[in-house]
Amino acid sequence: TQLLEQSPQFLSIQEGENLTVYCNSSSVFSSLQWYRQEPGEGPVLLVTVVTGGEVKKLKRLTFQFGDARKDSSLHITAAQPGDTGLYLCAGVQTSGSRLTFGEGTQLTVNP
Amino acid sequence: NAGVTQTPKFQVLKTGQSMTLQCAQDMNHEYMSWYRQDPGMGLRLIHYSVGAGITDQGEVPNGYNVSRSTTEDFPLRLLSAAPSQTSVYFCASSFAGGNSEQFFGPGTRLTVL
Repeated sequence: TQLLEQSPQFLSIQEGENLTVYCNSSSVFSSLQWYRQEPGEGPVLLVTVVTGGEVKKLKRLTFQFGDARKDSSLHITAAQPGDTGLYLCAGVQTSGSRLTFGEGTQLTVNP
Repeated sequence: NAGVTQTPKFQVLKTGQSMTLQCAQDMNHEYMSWYRQDPGMGLRLIHYSVGAGITDQGEVPNGYNVSRSTTEDFPLRLLSAAPSQTSVYFCASSFAGGNSEQFFGPGTRLTVL
């Protein structure tokens, strides 16, 4: 069982559509990060959220940390083919110090 | 700055062979980590280091050894390769632990026959 569960695991949409990816846990996290990984490359950090209820925006991407700090979401508005990639959430539990990754959401945006 | 570099990019081994995956970073980061990435399982931590001379086990350490003689280098050794070690391996570095940004290398795709 993954400490951080992401849904959906796969998502294929058309250019211009909106989408939301979820990252859920039964544990409390001191912070959550979102990374994007393109084929043949390592993940790259998009954002870190640290406060319950926090919302951060990065152009067409909106990230939210749940009030209880057990979950996070990533919303993409008007998706573009360049958004295609594997989206990974990662968090540090309040009871630990190491970063734990979710299994990822593979997003494909078709032109 | 080259960031985090890994060699080789691809490797095929036979069961029982040993090899070392190389990782280097030029950002003067104290923290370095090795992850493996398998389909549907995200990234799992193998070993990590909080500074030169200090290493510790992660979530899936069996079958792997590491050492950290310098700040820059953090090699991962497979002692006797097994098919279950077929995976993509990523090295990462960060300024500090916890929620510090992880900088990843491009990965090594390893196949064990």
